Amino acid sequence: GAGVSQTPSNKVTEKGKYVELRCDPISGHTALYWYRQSLGQGPEFLIYFQGTGAADDSGLPNDRFFAVRPEGSVSTLKIQRTERGDSAVYLCASSSGGRGSTDTQYFGPGTRLTVL
Amino acid sequence: AQSVTQLDSQVPVFEEAPVELRCNYSSSVSVYLFWYVQYPNQGLQLLLKYLSGSTLVKGINGFEAEFNKSQTSFHLRKPSVHISDTAEYFCAVRGFYNTDKLIFGTGTRLQVFP
Repeated sequence: GAGVSQTPSNKVTEKGKYVELRCDPISGHTALYWYRQSLGQGPEFLIYFQGTGAADDSGLPNDRFFAVRPEGSVSTLKIQRTERGDSAVYLCASSSGGRGSTDTQYFGPGTRLTVL
Repeated sequence: AQSVTQLDSQVPVFEEAPVELRCNYSSSVSVYLFWYVQYPNQGLQLLLKYLSGSTLVKGINGFEAEFNKSQTSFHLRKPSVHISDTAEYFCAVRGFYNTDKLIFGTGTRLQVFP
């Protein structure tokens, strides 16, 4: 079946602009995660949704970052007033389990964000 | 809180040779452990995971890893590598309680030469 998809695959923007990154999880997966991977680093957790609600947003770096999942499926990561330090690959993952589940997190191909 | 250390940023090896990619973790609670692989221009793919039970875990593509609680390690091994194993490998940890997020190491680039 279809895996996790993310759009766009690449996004180039200017400093100070607003961007939205989209994630389509595997159908039926209730858990959705956002991670950020900077060059030469491992993925870093941003936020975790269980259904429509954010169960853990402890990884969001500041209030310029916000994510929604209004219908419990597609999620959008929103970044306001982008800065050059926001340049990274933004990864989305989904899994089928509830909170505390050890079900596998399946990752999408990522969105490469470049802030000029 | 948890953390993961992958000491080797790059591991060069010839085809058909054995390889070990090292992973050490730090945690004040019991953990689940994972290895993910990232092929060029592809998303992260789960190789294997340790949840409980036998400390030797077998994964896809002939990889295996051994959980050593006393040494807080979870090293990944393959007895004979192929050119197609060239990729970035990430070790990750997740605490047992009150967390669903994965904490990743910085990755090890495995380069297999003919």
